[in-house]
Amino acid sequence: DTGVSQDPRHKITKRGQNVTFRCDPISEHNRLYWYRQTLGQGPEFLTYFQNEAQLEKSRLLSDRFSAERPKGSFSTLEIQRTEQGDSAMYLCASSLGSPGPDNEQFFGPGTRLTVL
Amino acid sequence: DQQVKQNSPSLSVQEGRISILNCDYTNSMFDYFLWYKKYPAEGPTFLISISSIKDKNEDGRFTVFLNKSAKHLSLHIVPSQPGDSAVYFCAASDRGSTLGRLYFGRGTQLTVWP
Repeated sequence: DTGVSQDPRHKITKRGQNVTFRCDPISEHNRLYWYRQTLGQGPEFLTYFQNEAQLEKSRLLSDRFSAERPKGSFSTLEIQRTEQGDSAMYLCASSLGSPGPDNEQFFGPGTRLTVL
Repeated sequence: DQQVKQNSPSLSVQEGRISILNCDYTNSMFDYFLWYKKYPAEGPTFLISISSIKDKNEDGRFTVFLNKSAKHLSLHIVPSQPGDSAVYFCAASDRGSTLGRLYFGRGTQLTVWP
């Protein structure tokens, strides 16, 4: 399967702990996006990479959040000092280029984070 | 500020009938629109898209209609099948920006019953 993969699928942590999620995009895709989805909401944009460069961060991405994409391949999203409000589904997506025909964003299965 | 709105949280349709899911947007810079389908415990799956230069795009049982003057789009599924039961998200993008982020609505839960 050459789709977008995410690890772990589920993470339960205690408030104040740090967590790290990983996303492996489709191999030839140079764009990678992180979104967050909370209950009853659609996915909300967090940040975007083109190759290894992080080109935009949403205001939702507080200083406790950091994302990297070394070498333009996989990406990690770290949350430091987790809070209960961080509980959500974290989705990764990748694409070949900007939105358009044949450049749709393909999503991974997500990492569900629960902060106790 | 919700720039993409799906005002119907749920829709129930009998198998074989037409399902119509609606979406409104507020940002006139949006020029590309997509529908995604999501099953529980999975990520969203791309379904169909439409550019603002068109008013209709069809792919098998799925047709998306765009009314730019009303800032409204709809997804028609004909005929509806039980396997279509899922949450459907409308999404929009401003391709004039190089960022490519998608703005999503809150989703509509479609249930197709036999």
